[in-house]
Amino acid sequence: DSGVTQTPKHLITATGQRVTLRCSPRSGDLSVYWYQQSLDQGLQFLIQYYNGEERAKGNILERFSAQQFPDLHSELNLSSLELGDSALYFCASSVHPRRGTSTDTQYFGPGTRLTVL
Amino acid sequence: AQSVTQLDSHVSVSEGTPVLLRCNYSSSYSPSLFWYVQHPNKGLQLLLKYTSAATLVKGINGFEAEFKKSETSFHLTKPSAHMSDAAEYFCVVSDRGYGGATNKLIFGTGTLLAVQP
Repeated sequence: DSGVTQTPKHLITATGQRVTLRCSPRSGDLSVYWYQQSLDQGLQFLIQYYNGEERAKGNILERFSAQQFPDLHSELNLSSLELGDSALYFCASSVHPRRGTSTDTQYFGPGTRLTVL
Repeated sequence: AQSVTQLDSHVSVSEGTPVLLRCNYSSSYSPSLFWYVQHPNKGLQLLLKYTSAATLVKGINGFEAEFKKSETSFHLTKPSAHMSDAAEYFCVVSDRGYGGATNKLIFGTGTLLAVQP
């Protein structure tokens, strides 16, 4: 158990709908990362938040957005869903990315499997 | 830009024989490298990480990896495979971004390890 929790575990919805995925980081971790795992794209970085602020953006669609709340949990919002958005969405957390030093380890949650019908 | 290439998409070994999963990296600075494992329908678990302290890195479950700068490689090995090692393995490099403000992970395409009895 990594200490990172994600809800829900599974989500089935229809095209055009909107869903919210939730992530609670490990106790004490300030950074939250979102990744998408799909059959055709593999594992891709979507977005990172650090202590409530957006820190880095990857291949995240404009239909997707995220935020990190004062209690450090994060939500990933996916709207106008398409069939191709079906994937496993992972959240990871780390203490914080310290400038100029070695990389903090990221610990991954169990993922949310999204199926768009 | 940071990237990793996993040279084999599938590797099959017999139980009790050595495991070798190959990974080459590309990095514009001294990289931070990781191996993660994903068991079927499970999340991502960190096996080991390299952050320039020692070139031979020992991880969990008997795995180790050697960082070879001259060959830009970070191959994962285990002396004796166990049935429980059957899983997908990802070689990962950290991308610190501009000014080291982030450490988003760039994943390889994965190697599926099968262990035959």
